[in-house]
Amino acid sequence: AQSVTQPDIHITVSEGASLELRCNYSYGATPYLFWYVQSPGQGLQLLLKYFSGDTLVQGIKGFEAEFKRSQSSFNLRKPSVHWSDAAEYFCAVGVIKAAGNKLTFGGGTRVLVKP
Amino acid sequence: NAGVTQTPKFRVLKTGQSMTLLCAQDMNHEYMYWYRQDPGMGLRLIHYSVGEGTTAKGEVPDGYNVSRLKKQNFLLGLESAAPSQTSVYFCASIRGGSHLRDRGRNTEAFFGQGTRLTVV
Repeated sequence: AQSVTQPDIHITVSEGASLELRCNYSYGATPYLFWYVQSPGQGLQLLLKYFSGDTLVQGIKGFEAEFKRSQSSFNLRKPSVHWSDAAEYFCAVGVIKAAGNKLTFGGGTRVLVKP
Repeated sequence: NAGVTQTPKFRVLKTGQSMTLLCAQDMNHEYMYWYRQDPGMGLRLIHYSVGEGTTAKGEVPDGYNVSRLKKQNFLLGLESAAPSQTSVYFCASIRGGSHLRDRGRNTEAFFGQGTRLTVV
């Protein structure tokens, strides 16, 4: 069965500093990878996704992520954090099975932004 | 397009009461899901449906029932609410299908805004 691990539960970063959120997955076949963001009291919004091709993918709000098959990782990055980036971030792996397509989430990383 | 709509947005229940959460999607998606979100535990799958008239159990199905009588609607029921069911519930839909060309898109999920349920 597939699984997703986000090793960092909380990260605090200063406004203007760079941010990197780690995501490791376990899945035997081709993974379809996603990052979602959840602002306080809100639903989940898709930041970016990796299906195939270029391993560096660009998303909304200035985020990017790099797929590294050898490390089973899909880390999210942003060069310069804004106060509005304070939120919880979820990495997910999508799989296609005969019994139905599924999305498995990591436990999430909460990002706090210091002024 | 409204996307995925959940009702209600907030609810307080007394222990032992019952209620139904409604999820509606207007994207003609095949697959629908109910997750619960609890602090530090991410999103855990309760039940899901791969098509009209079908349902299946997820990771944490106990205490919940679901129905998918119409393709666009997925209902989550709590027959006898317990304080342990205090949570935020999210519905999601996925287009579904396994056509090779669209495989990645067939796993992209669209979420509702959530229902915050408190059981006292």
